[in-house]
Amino acid sequence: EAGVTQFPSHSVIEKGQTVTLRCDPISGHDNLYWYRRVMGKEIKFLLHFVKESKQDESGMPNNRFLAERTGGTYSTLKVQPAELEDSGVYFCASSRPDRGQAFTEAFFGQGTRLTVV
Amino acid sequence: DQQVKQNSPSLSVQEGRISILNCDYTNSMFDYFLWYKKYPAEGPTFLISISSIKDKNEDGRFTVFLNKSAKHLSLHIVPSQPGDSAVYFCAAEKRGSTLGRLYFGRGTQLTVWP
Repeated sequence: EAGVTQFPSHSVIEKGQTVTLRCDPISGHDNLYWYRRVMGKEIKFLLHFVKESKQDESGMPNNRFLAERTGGTYSTLKVQPAELEDSGVYFCASSRPDRGQAFTEAFFGQGTRLTVV
Repeated sequence: DQQVKQNSPSLSVQEGRISILNCDYTNSMFDYFLWYKKYPAEGPTFLISISSIKDKNEDGRFTVFLNKSAKHLSLHIVPSQPGDSAVYFCAAEKRGSTLGRLYFGRGTQLTVWP
């Protein structure tokens, strides 16, 4: 079974430009999450999809960030326009549908390292 | 505000000895606590979890202890091996809120030397 994959693995862009990150979750995983880690800090939740619906986007920093999940499959996270403080590692994670089990393991991708200069 | 805290950014342990990684939390509504392990250029991978109704969970060389009254948990690795060298993240989950949303600490870099 293929794991969670993210593209690109690295991106260096100039302030004011647009960047789109992509995440392909594990097949059959309805839940998809985006997280971000700014250097040396904690991994912070950005948002959660169930299939194509946004369930919780309370962690999105501001309206320069837009996440979509087309047809409940892959997801994109667009930053437009990028600012210096957007630099960090963006992780995507997915997990199986909730069937009332006590705990659902989330599987993470390798992350996209975004550097805004 | 940070609800899960790992106050030790690094820990260095000799191979064969015990590694103890600590984590504190502030929110008494957390239902599950997890440890994730992360190697460079990889995503975090799940290591072990514990329910808030338990005080210990063991899986091979890894044991997690939970002290609810102190809002503290720890991960013990015995014996430590060089391959255990990685960043360890403590995380917590609240059922009843966003399903599967994890609250992470800042991580502890564990180095196991021969």
